[in-house]
Amino acid sequence: EVQLVQSGAEVKKPGESLKISCESSGHSSTTYWIGWVRQMPGKGLEWMGIIYPGDSDTIYSPSFQGLVTISADRSTRTAYLQWTSLKASDTAMYYCGFAAYSSIGSFDYWGQGTLVTVSP
Amino acid sequence: QSVLTQPPSVSGAPGQRVTISCTGSSSNIGANYDVHWYQQLPGTAPKLLIYGNNNRPSGVSGRFSGSKSGTSASLAITGLQAEDEADYYCQSYDRSLSASVFGGGTKLTVL
Repeated sequence: EVQLVQSGAEVKKPGESLKISCESSGHSSTTYWIGWVRQMPGKGLEWMGIIYPGDSDTIYSPSFQGLVTISADRSTRTAYLQWTSLKASDTAMYYCGFAAYSSIGSFDYWGQGTLVTVSP
Repeated sequence: QSVLTQPPSVSGAPGQRVTISCTGSSSNIGANYDVHWYQQLPGTAPKLLIYGNNNRPSGVSGRFSGSKSGTSASLAITGLQAEDEADYYCQSYDRSLSASVFGGGTKLTVL
């Protein structure tokens, strides 16, 4: 079965940079997408963007375009979510999701989440 | 404000049937894009419940079912159990945004 393991919780100050990761395993196919989802404290899920590790084709939600960078290393089956200058409003739980066939498909498997806290 | 609208909360007694709606528009559900549903238990990651409008992944109880009509979709839960108490989210693709979106989420309370 597919497993997604995310990097650990982070505590950062405003203005700092950050890169969190999501490593996938348990799948033989190279045809898959990895997406990122934000959940702010006490709020709902927000679709941020998705990447095809095969060729790094990336789609961003307009709400997150230019605010974050999604990347992937095909050889290590690891996807990344990166900020260059964090704000307090970036404080949230971030989940990665595995989409087996399509960039607009369902997230069949999810990572455990990475809690990012941005505080002075 | 999400482009997919869900009721903030629904409730039902054990054994009852409840439905959760997900209302979209002609640029998402009405444009024939698939709807997917997720269950998020307190303090845990979301879990796929229904994909492609009405398909259950292996291991998901038959008490959960999905349907779609026009610009809306619904998740039905029959034989309500205490363990069903969770947040539920719909997801679809929106061609105006050129991105997928989630509904605002619905909190299910089992009375």
